Amino acid sequence: SAVISQKPSRDICQRGTSLTIQCQVDSQVTMMFWYRQQPGQSLTLIATANQGSEATYESGFVIDKFPISRPNLTFSTLTVSNMSPEDSSIYLCSAGTGGKPTDTQYFGPGTRLTVL
Amino acid sequence: AQSVTQLDSQVPVFEEAPVELRCNYSSSVSVYLFWYVQYPNQGLQLLLKYLSGSTLVKGINGFEAEFNKSQTSFHLRKPSVHISDTAEYFCAVSDRSGGYNKLIFGAGTRLAVHP
Repeated sequence: SAVISQKPSRDICQRGTSLTIQCQVDSQVTMMFWYRQQPGQSLTLIATANQGSEATYESGFVIDKFPISRPNLTFSTLTVSNMSPEDSSIYLCSAGTGGKPTDTQYFGPGTRLTVL
Repeated sequence: AQSVTQLDSQVPVFEEAPVELRCNYSSSVSVYLFWYVQYPNQGLQLLLKYLSGSTLVKGINGFEAEFNKSQTSFHLRKPSVHISDTAEYFCAVSDRSGGYNKLIFGAGTRLAVHP
């Protein structure tokens, strides 16, 4: 298993600013994922981040708006850029240990973002 | 690409009653299915998963799910719920479109257990 922590746990930000969310895993993992969970809704995958390569973004999400870093096998960051109130969501980081479809994904507690 | 449909957005139930949360997936040659639970203000926790073999899968906290290939379903059940089971439950399927593995989540079912 993997234990995942995220910082910050919550933040209130002004329109037009950017926020970087950190995700730390207690063991080395192959795959890390970033999700958005809008109020009362399910999880939508933003991107998949592998160490040493560019993140792969899902349809509707672009690198300029959500730049991601993955400098090593235990850490990743997601930046929400030029924020608007529509970006108010919970952002969740998850990790998969083996890169196989049968792998369990372990989730962090989430970062609750409010944009004014 | 795979997809998942959770048929009930909310399920109210009394404590100690049985419950079933329904999940249907899009058909595929091979499918891997998961149920996750999200307690208020927390991340997701794996309840159980179906990879292959026995169609009845047992998970944590007394939950179980049955994989039914002919009906493309993976319903979650518990014979007797507790107040502490109040949470959001997500069904998910593993998908490999785009060349890498990822999870596709259903819309979620909010289970509300009443005393």
